Amino acid sequence: KAGVTQTPRYLIKTRGQQVTLSCSPISGHRSVSWYQQTPGQGLQFLFEYFSETQRNKGNFPGRFSGRQFSNSRSEMNVSTLELGDSALYLCASSLEGRYLTDTQYFGPGTRLTVL
Amino acid sequence: SQKIEQNSEALNIQEGKTATLTCNYTNYSPAYLQWYRQDPGRGPVFLLLIRENEKEKRKERLKVTFDTTLKQSLFHITASQPADSATYLCALPSSGGSYIPTFGRGTSLIVHP
Repeated sequence: KAGVTQTPRYLIKTRGQQVTLSCSPISGHRSVSWYQQTPGQGLQFLFEYFSETQRNKGNFPGRFSGRQFSNSRSEMNVSTLELGDSALYLCASSLEGRYLTDTQYFGPGTRLTVL
Repeated sequence: SQKIEQNSEALNIQEGKTATLTCNYTNYSPAYLQWYRQDPGRGPVFLLLIRENEKEKRKERLKVTFDTTLKQSLFHITASQPADSATYLCALPSSGGSYIPTFGRGTSLIVHP
C-alpha cells in the first residue's frame, strides 16, 4: 500500500505570495491532518479534515486554510506569506481519526522557504 | 496550559548500550502517550502508544513506561544500534479529549559504533 505523498517536496516563495500544498493520504484513510514543524516551535497542529469537513483546528491565523476533496486528498493554502512561515509542512493520514485506535501515518513533508 | 518537556540536548551512547529518553508533562492527565521516531528531512513514524492504565509496553527492542504520578514517560531502546540514531518525539492528546496530539520538541539520539 502506498504511503502518504506530499507535493511539492520543496518550495521557495517570497513574502506576500501565497502557496498551495497537496497531500494524498493512504488509500482508505479518511482523516487528514496538517502540521507545521520549525526548529523554534517544534511540531504544531494546523488542522484536521474528515469527510471533506474541517473537524479540528489549531492555533494558527486565518492565513492558513485547507480543504479536503471527496477522494480524501487534501490541500492547504497559506496566503500573504511571512518569513516566519518557513517550515516543514507535514501531512498525516489515519483511518477515522479516532485516538487510541488509529495510527497517524506522516508524509515526507514539504519544505517551504519564504524569502 | 499543558506542557511537554523532552531533553533538548542530544543523547550520545555507544552501540549495544541501552538508550533512555524522557518525556515529562505538566498541567495535564492524558489518557495515553505516544512515541514517534523522526529521521532528518522525513515525517515522524509512529512507534508505540501506551495508555494511562498501562505501566509498561514493549515492542521488540523498545520499551515504554508511563508513570502518571510522576507525569513522566521513559522510552528505552535496548542493544542500541547506529541505525537507531534519530530524533524521538513524545506526543499526548490535547486536553479536552480531542484527538489532536501535542508533540514534544524531541530528543536527538546518536548511537556511536
